[in-house]
Amino acid sequence: EVQLVESGGGLIQPGGSLKLSCAASGFSVSRNYMNWVRQAPGKGLEWVSVFYTGGSTYYADSVKGRFTISRDDSKNTLYLQMDSLRADDTAVYYCARGIDFWSAYFDLWGRGTLVTVSS
Amino acid sequence: DIQMTQSPSSLSASVGDRVTITCRASQGIGNFLAWYQQKPGRVPQLLIYGASTLQSGVPSRFSGSGSGTDFTLTISSLQPEDVATFYCQKYNSAPFTFGPGTKVDVK
Repeated sequence: EVQLVESGGGLIQPGGSLKLSCAASGFSVSRNYMNWVRQAPGKGLEWVSVFYTGGSTYYADSVKGRFTISRDDSKNTLYLQMDSLRADDTAVYYCARGIDFWSAYFDLWGRGTLVTVSS
Repeated sequence: DIQMTQSPSSLSASVGDRVTITCRASQGIGNFLAWYQQKPGRVPQLLIYGASTLQSGVPSRFSGSGSGTDFTLTISSLQPEDVATFYCQKYNSAPFTFGPGTKVDVK
């Protein structure tokens, strides 16, 4: 079955760190544009970061310098290392698949993992 | 960076009504525009890509149009199961920005 399963969310204090995982099955993360998208409680969707097939990455300004996206092809898993967490990082974090440059829209989403930043 | 706007922010319509949502990009993005539907408590689902191509399995009452900076999502005959928030997204290049969303309710 083609799916994405996120894990690693939880309650963390401001200034802390957390690493999210997104395990893919049924396809190879290395052959797709893999993204993180977040949604704060009651708010809209915010794109966070992309890991391109060639290995380059891109970040939203709101997380640049604090979050790091990475990929382990041997585990077919995408990661998001989140450092210097703030209260406004509280959100459900989704992993989402894009196909390639011409089809970078997100055709597959995980169920998400909730990150709560609070003291 | 290119900004995405949507209008209206919310709407309420009757079953069977034709519903139109507008999305605007601050700069031209060709037809690199996708629409997503997020039902309450659910994960977003891809509805339309390439501004007008329906994703497999999406009912034909949904349609999309536009190119450049102005895009439209139309529901030809609103159904109770269409209650959701709809988001547009640019995907010509990162950042893959979403619009703020349009919440659709059924009267």
